[in-house]
Amino acid sequence: EVQLVESGGGLVQPGGSLRLSCAASGFTFSSYEINWVRQTPGKGLEWVSYISSSGGTRYYADSVKGRFTISRDNAKNSLYLQMNSLRAEDTAVYYCARERNGYNQDYSYYYYMDVWGKGTTVTVSS
Amino acid sequence: EIVLTQSPGTLSLSPGERATLSCRASQSVSSSYLAWYQQKPGQAPRLLIYGASSRATGIPDRFSGSGSGTDFTLTISRLEPEDFAVYFCQQYGSSPRYSFGQGTKLEIK
Repeated sequence: EVQLVESGGGLVQPGGSLRLSCAASGFTFSSYEINWVRQTPGKGLEWVSYISSSGGTRYYADSVKGRFTISRDNAKNSLYLQMNSLRAEDTAVYYCARERNGYNQDYSYYYYMDVWGKGTTVTVSS
Repeated sequence: EIVLTQSPGTLSLSPGERATLSCRASQSVSSSYLAWYQQKPGQAPRLLIYGASSRATGIPDRFSGSGSGTDFTLTISRLEPEDFAVYFCQQYGSSPRYSFGQGTKLEIK
């Protein structure tokens, strides 16, 4: 079964750090690009970060740039999100999601996220 | 940044009825960049439609997507009890990489 399982969430004080993990199984992890997406009741779904299959390319949302670092270990089928200088507004459920992209038959290029983990909850509060 | 606006915010219908959900973009979006997801309480989003109109693997054919440019639609032809959930549209962009609509809650009337 194709699966992503997040872990590492919890309660942390403002200014603190947390490292999230995402364990992949059932597919060739090293062949896929992966994203982190977070969700709050107030702001809904928000894309956080992206990493290419090799780990050589990384992108971040402006809201987390300079504070969060995405990384992966293909030998361990694992993805990580190091979160530093945490703020109350980082409180959310964090999902890892597998990206699919490529050419359609009409030569248009598609992008979407087809497999999501169940999420891990991060609460930033004193 | 392209903003996606979904309407209505809440849709109250009965099983067997037809549901039409709208997603409007603040500027033109390539159809191949538009996807729809379903989310039930306590669960992760589930991919329904990609490329505006292609059903994901295992998605029943009562779900269909259409649209182009700035206006996209998710249609559920005959609602089943398990279809009552929140639905999100999502588009791929350069920065941020993905953006989402705020969601439409489909509730039982």
